[in-house]
Amino acid sequence: GQQLNQSPQSMFIQEGEDVSMNCTSSSIFNTWLWYKQEPGEGPVLLIALYKAGELTSNGRLTAQFGITRKDSFLNISASIPSDVGIYFCAGDGQLVFGTGTRLLVSP
Amino acid sequence: EAGVAQSPRYKIIEKRQSVAFWCNPISGHATLYWYQQILGQGPKLLIQFQNNGVVDDSQLPKDRFSAERLKGVDSTLKIQPAKLEDSAVYLCASSSTGEGGSGLPYEQYFGPGTRLTVT
Repeated sequence: GQQLNQSPQSMFIQEGEDVSMNCTSSSIFNTWLWYKQEPGEGPVLLIALYKAGELTSNGRLTAQFGITRKDSFLNISASIPSDVGIYFCAGDGQLVFGTGTRLLVSP
Repeated sequence: EAGVAQSPRYKIIEKRQSVAFWCNPISGHATLYWYQQILGQGPKLLIQFQNNGVVDDSQLPKDRFSAERLKGVDSTLKIQPAKLEDSAVYLCASSSTGEGGSGLPYEQYFGPGTRLTVT
C-alpha cells in the first residue's frame, strides 16, 4: 500500500533554532496534512494543504505542498520548548500517515 | 466546541479476552475514523464511517475486529479475541463533509486515544 516517508526521524535542537522536515510519497496526493502529537494525546492538526505549490503559514509554522504532489515540507521558525513532540504528515485517499519526526528542543 | 471523546483511556487484558472501545465524535461531524497506532509508528486507518455506513474497512482484521456506528453518531470498536500484537493506542477521529459544515474534508480531529495492553 501507500507509504509516506518522513525525514529526519528525529531532531535535537537548541531553543531559537529553525527546523525543517519533509515527507515524501510514492503516490500523488490531493491533500497534505501536518499533525503534532504529544505523549498520551491524539494528533492535533497544524496545517492543511489543498493545492500543489501552496504555501501556508500558521504562526511560526510554514508548510508547502510540493509541485509534484508527492512531497510536502514543514518548517518551524524560532523553536521553543513546547514545540517538542512527534510531527506526522498525512495524505488523503487512503488517509495514510507518515512515520513521524520526533522533535526535541533544548532550552 | 467539545472535542472527540473516547473511553476508556487505558485497558489491560489477557490474550484471547475481548475488549470494546467507545468514541463520541464532534457534534455534526458525519465522518468517523478508527486508527491503530503501534508504539513508534504513525496511525494506521482501520475503518472509516460516513454517517452510519462503512466507507473503507480494507485494513480492519475482520476475523477479530468489528466496529459499528448504528445511529451515525457514536461508535464502538471491538476486538475478540485479542492477541499480543493488538497492544497499541486506538485513536478515534472525526471530520465534517465540508459541505456547508465547519471545517474542510480530511481535516480530522482526534480524541486522546485508548491505550490497550494485551498480556
